[in-house]
Amino acid sequence: DGGITQSPKYLFRKEGQNVTLSCEQNLNHDAMYWYRQDPGQGLRLIYYSQIVNDFQKGDIAEGYSVSREKKESFPLTVTSAQKNPTAFYLCASSIGSSGGNEQFFGPGTRLTVL
Amino acid sequence: GQQLNQSPQSMFIQEGEDVSMNCTSSSIFNTWLWYKQDPGEGPVLLIALYKAGELTSNGRLTAQFGITRKDSFLNISASIPSDVGIYFCAGHPRIQGGSEKLVFGKGTKLTVNP
Repeated sequence: DGGITQSPKYLFRKEGQNVTLSCEQNLNHDAMYWYRQDPGQGLRLIYYSQIVNDFQKGDIAEGYSVSREKKESFPLTVTSAQKNPTAFYLCASSIGSSGGNEQFFGPGTRLTVL
Repeated sequence: GQQLNQSPQSMFIQEGEDVSMNCTSSSIFNTWLWYKQDPGEGPVLLIALYKAGELTSNGRLTAQFGITRKDSFLNISASIPSDVGIYFCAGHPRIQGGSEKLVFGKGTKLTVNP
């Protein structure tokens, strides 16, 4: 089954702790993305990567970090510098510049910081 | 940055009714995408549009890419309870420096009364 997986589904952390959210895809897509969704809001882009070992800041990158060491994986770290980290985090992927713009999403991770 | 105006914000309809929602932009878009998101899940791609004037159907769903390239609409015919969810439009602006970033609307929340 091809798709995007995110783990865990729910995550609880204490304030001041860094936490890493996992995103894996087996679609052989070049591009991957991280979005944040707050209640009643649209999707806001945190970081994106168009190719392995390269990534760019999105609209709300402050307090977050990413890596792209493998094509299949794009983990997101929510650092203690992120002032309001409680949110629903969505990972997505697309074929990349060689194909269309359709992005496919994972099931999401709900992060709650206590 | 780029913004999409999606309307209405919410809709309450009776089962069997038709639904229409739309997205507009002040700038030209090359691609329009429509997604549906169930509570606590990631968005699922419903329809992708790539040409001005294009009209595409997916079962009871029909979407159109506006002639001006600045708008798109989504129609759902004969709604059923499982149509409940949040519908997002997304677009790829004409000028984006070659990146794969999408711009998202804030969503239309659909409630269907049996």
